[in-house]
Amino acid sequence: ETGVTQTPRHLVMGMTNKKSLKCEQHLGHNAMYWYKQSAKKPLELMFVYNFKEQTENNSVPSRFSPECPNSSHLFLHLHTLQPEDSALYLCASSQVDGSTDTQYFGPGTRLTVL
Amino acid sequence: GQNIDQPTEMTATEGAIVQINCTYQTSGFNGLFWYQQHAGEAPTFLSYNVLDGLEEKGRFSSFLSRSKGYSYLLLKELQMKDSASYLCAVRDGNYQLIWGAGTKLIIKP
Repeated sequence: ETGVTQTPRHLVMGMTNKKSLKCEQHLGHNAMYWYKQSAKKPLELMFVYNFKEQTENNSVPSRFSPECPNSSHLFLHLHTLQPEDSALYLCASSQVDGSTDTQYFGPGTRLTVL
Repeated sequence: GQNIDQPTEMTATEGAIVQINCTYQTSGFNGLFWYQQHAGEAPTFLSYNVLDGLEEKGRFSSFLSRSKGYSYLLLKELQMKDSASYLCAVRDGNYQLIWGAGTKLIIKP
């Protein structure tokens, strides 16, 4: 398997549920990212992990909890979400080494909160 | 504040040429990216510009003018499969990526 993979591709959950999104990168990169993409809005950066350490948390509500057990895997734990959290959640990875640091994206998880 | 502007939607004809513009106001500049995103799919990297001028990659070219805060993506010999959203992103002085909302390109036969 190559590139960046995400599971599940679609998720419907109630406001009281707990679920997790998974991302895996097969590119040997050292940084991973979670983004939220809502219709007709710019990508919103949620979390950044660089060398497994969280280096950014863009004022994301605590109902979103990231986990990065190693440089290839990234999780987003979800609990007590709100309907406005319905969106496409994208994972990306890049190699941070002073070059272009191009981010490569997974296909996303389409999340619907009822 | 920091801002990326690009048209919301454009329509073009198969076989033609289309230019998608992107203007930016950021605190510092460390490169500009273009991505293509088909509906329901991952954004895929198209091009990167950090110096002024034109970068050509097959049917796609990207231009940058840092003094004007301006870039464009030029698509030639349009094909139906080019129907997608095109995202412009700028890396600012703190190496943060600032994203535009994307331009939806509709190709008509």
